[in-house]
Amino acid sequence: GQNIDQPTEMTATEGAIVQINCTYQTSGFNGLFWYQQHAGEAPTFLSYNVLDGLEEKGRFSSFLSRSKGYSYLLLKELQMKDSASYLCAVTDSNYQLIWGAGTKLIIKP
Amino acid sequence: DTAVSQTPKYLVTQMGNDKSIKCEQNLGHDTMYWYKQDSKKFLKIMFSYNNKELIINETVPNRFSPKSPDKAHLNLHINSLELGDSAVYFCASSQGGQWNGAGELFFGEGSRLTVL
Repeated sequence: GQNIDQPTEMTATEGAIVQINCTYQTSGFNGLFWYQQHAGEAPTFLSYNVLDGLEEKGRFSSFLSRSKGYSYLLLKELQMKDSASYLCAVTDSNYQLIWGAGTKLIIKP
Repeated sequence: DTAVSQTPKYLVTQMGNDKSIKCEQNLGHDTMYWYKQDSKKFLKIMFSYNNKELIINETVPNRFSPKSPDKAHLNLHINSLELGDSAVYFCASSQGGQWNGAGELFFGEGSRLTVL
C-alpha cells in the first residue's frame, strides 16, 4: 500500500528552528508537496520538491531525498503565526496525490 | 476576489436528506477536485474533474456525485446523507491534472457538513 508518515504533533519555541519529517512509500514518485493548514482553514501551498536537495523560500526550506523516501520541512525564526498543521503529500507514478495526516505544530512563547 | 470559493461554509442537516455544495474557481484552471477531511485530518480525494475526464475515487459511495456545469464550477451533490458523511469538504483546483502533473493545488475555504 501507499503510505505517508509524519509525526502527529510537535512543540517548539518562538524564535527557534523546527524540522518536520516526512517519510513516504509510494508506487513511483512525481514530486512532494508541503502544505500549511491553520485550524479551521484551507491548506495553502508551501513548497514542491521533485529533485533531491534543499529548496529555500524565506524562513521555510524543504529537503528531499528520493533514494531514502524522505523529506523534511525546516522552519526558522518561528513565529506564533506558524502554529498550524503541516501536510506532506506525494504524487505517485499515476499522478495520484497521496496525503499524510499532517503534523500539528504548536509554538510556545 | 477569492480564487476558489465554495458555499455554504457550514451545513447542518438530518440523516436521509439530500444536499449540495457549490464550488467556483476564477483562476482559469483546467482541473477541479473535491476532498473530504475527516476528524483525523486526513485529506481524501473524492473526485478530480476537467472537461475531458472525471476520475472517481472508487471508495466514494455513489450517493456522492459531482456536477460540473462549466469549467469554472464543480458542485458536489450528496444523496441520503449518513452520520459518517460529517466532515469538512474542500474544493480545489490546479492548472494541470493527474495525467500531466497537477502542480500546486488551490483550496477553497471548506464546507463543514454536520449530519444529525
